[in-house]
Amino acid sequence: EIVLTQSPATLSLSPGERATLSCRASQSVSSYLAWYQQKPGQAPRLLIYDASKRATDIPARFSGSGSETDFTLTISSLEPEDFAVYYCQHRNNWPLTFGGGTKVEIK
Amino acid sequence: EVQLVESGGRLVQPGGSLRLSCAASGFSFSNYGMSWVRQAPGKGLEWVSSLSASGGHTYYADSVKGRFTISRDNSENKLYVEMTSLTPADTAVYYCVHSLCQNDVAVGGVSCYYYMDGWGKGTTVTVSS
Repeated sequence: EIVLTQSPATLSLSPGERATLSCRASQSVSSYLAWYQQKPGQAPRLLIYDASKRATDIPARFSGSGSETDFTLTISSLEPEDFAVYYCQHRNNWPLTFGGGTKVEIK
Repeated sequence: EVQLVESGGRLVQPGGSLRLSCAASGFSFSNYGMSWVRQAPGKGLEWVSSLSASGGHTYYADSVKGRFTISRDNSENKLYVEMTSLTPADTAVYYCVHSLCQNDVAVGGVSCYYYMDGWGKGTTVTVSS
């Protein structure tokens, strides 16, 4: 099973600042990695897939990068609605796994 | 509009069984791989099980293998998961999710990948005595 480790667990930032979230895989997942956003009381939403492709209707301030074992989600300038929990997930093989999440909170 | 509506969640005793359903609409259900993802109270996301578009391929997390069975009825646009030998560790919100499918010029058709693209609102399963 591939373990995805997200860091930091919590990121405290102000609106307008840049957010950089990390997801590290215990073995290579090639580029088969996605990022999700989840707000309290809501289902998650797909943001990024195949490491760097934005999903439908996702704003350009969200970008993904990386390959093999090291991946980054960047939010270029935080909007108030971006404060949420973010998860990564791989689809390289079975079982699929999610990372433990990074909470982006208002500083 | 894509809609996934889960039902069947309730309080059940340890050792009990439960069947969750998901009614799908607004997309070509029979062409999409489907999955169940759960989230325990205050915890992160956990992939539970996936099923190919035809229903011919099933995949399970080790934590549910042998206890849960995923299935689908493409004539009714419904996804199911039969859960047995439930324990308190199975307490969670269970989400029905459809895969990401896109037009693929390289194959001259649609390609689907097990990323979680469309989500239902979830149904709550509580296992407690």
